Amino acid sequence: DAKTTQPPSMDCAEGRAANLPCNHSTISGNEYVYWYRQIHSQGPQYIIHGLKNNETNEMASLIITEDRKSSTLILPHATLRDTAVYYCIVRDIQGAQKLVFGQGTRLTINP
Amino acid sequence: GAVVSQHPSWVICKSGTSVKIECRSLDFQATTMFWYRQFPKQSLMLMATSNEGSKATYEQGVEKDKFLINHASLTLSTLTVTSAHPEDSSFYICSARDLTSGRQFFGPGTRLTVL
Repeated sequence: DAKTTQPPSMDCAEGRAANLPCNHSTISGNEYVYWYRQIHSQGPQYIIHGLKNNETNEMASLIITEDRKSSTLILPHATLRDTAVYYCIVRDIQGAQKLVFGQGTRLTINP
Repeated sequence: GAVVSQHPSWVICKSGTSVKIECRSLDFQATTMFWYRQFPKQSLMLMATSNEGSKATYEQGVEKDKFLINHASLTLSTLTVTSAHPEDSSFYICSARDLTSGRQFFGPGTRLTVL
């Protein structure tokens, strides 16, 4: 079973920051938070991952709360091409666990 | 980033025939590959974990005799849907775990339609 909870859908205006929340209250100390997204009819695309510190890359920023029970993925300037289903997944550091997908958040970027 | 390819990207077949889908890691070695299935408007469901040189591990409810998996090399895994039926029509996605980094990358998916 997926260990995360996400809102089923969100809308965001083009050019604005999209903030996608994820709850992972049962996360253990050796588990990372991963974010993937899936654009319609394509395979999932890796976005970012983190353990406890905030992370940033060319695609997004990941903010993890101090207690690690929740996180937020931030797309700073959303474009129409960011419309996708976003999945938040927790998995162990060694990568031994399987990537189990929940229902994700369907993000729609509106012009 | 690392690239995972799938072939074919789509296939239409008659009921009762078998279909083979290939998954390749193009620029990295993968001792472990994963096969997922996705029905319309649903999330990805893990079908099986494929380990190079050994038998695949199937998730509960997935028939191993129907979905044959072969992982003969560090860069290739195949999924064969045997005696396909219309209810097997789905989007099949493979994923490969990089031996070096442990990161997991996904293929573009194969859309199977069984008539």
